[in-house]
Amino acid sequence: DARVTQTPRHKVTEMGQEVTMRCQPILGHNTVFWYRQTMMQGLELLAYFRNRAPLDDSGMPKDRFSAEMPDATLATLKIQPSEPRDSAVYFCASGLYGPLSGTQYFGPGTRLTVL
Amino acid sequence: AQKITQTQPGMFVQEKEAVTLDCTYDTSDQSYGLFWYKQPSSGEMIFLIYQGSYDEQNATEGRYSLNFQKARKSANLVISASQLGDSAMYFCAMREAMDSNYQLIWGAGTKLIIKP
Repeated sequence: DARVTQTPRHKVTEMGQEVTMRCQPILGHNTVFWYRQTMMQGLELLAYFRNRAPLDDSGMPKDRFSAEMPDATLATLKIQPSEPRDSAVYFCASGLYGPLSGTQYFGPGTRLTVL
Repeated sequence: AQKITQTQPGMFVQEKEAVTLDCTYDTSDQSYGLFWYKQPSSGEMIFLIYQGSYDEQNATEGRYSLNFQKARKSANLVISASQLGDSAMYFCAMREAMDSNYQLIWGAGTKLIIKP
């Protein structure tokens, strides 16, 4: 049963610290998405990749967030320095790009708390 | 204008009854896909069902079916014989073929609570 995996599942850190979240997409999927979910804003798209190339990261605060995909099995989202307003659940999702497809499969999320 | 509208912020339904969760969408694209996801209190986002705009039959997956009314631009999720485990947030989403970037447009969600 193929699944998207994310680590860590929970992270508590202090303001100013660097946070790195990792995602392993489903094998064979060529598109990866990073989302952030909060009660106030709902689900927001931060960035996404196709065939490891970043296509859009307009949803990310550029000064502190960065997303990379060093290889097909790993996507990372970094926050440096972290701020309390970054507290949220961060989801990674993967999918297979194509004209008739579009289903995104989500990982379990990383619950981030910045004190 | 909202592209995906879920008008029911919350719903209470008696166990074993059928549930209909509303979703209306707005697009000028002829080719698009509609999705429903479930998010239980544990937090994971679970894909439930997909309907393509050219699909002539309503999609079904077990107890889930999608009541697709293209002319009305609605894609309601129907859950038959509801169970306590169906209590969750439900999100409707759309992908437009004109968006080559493959992004999903999300609704605000409906919180469903099944009463025993």
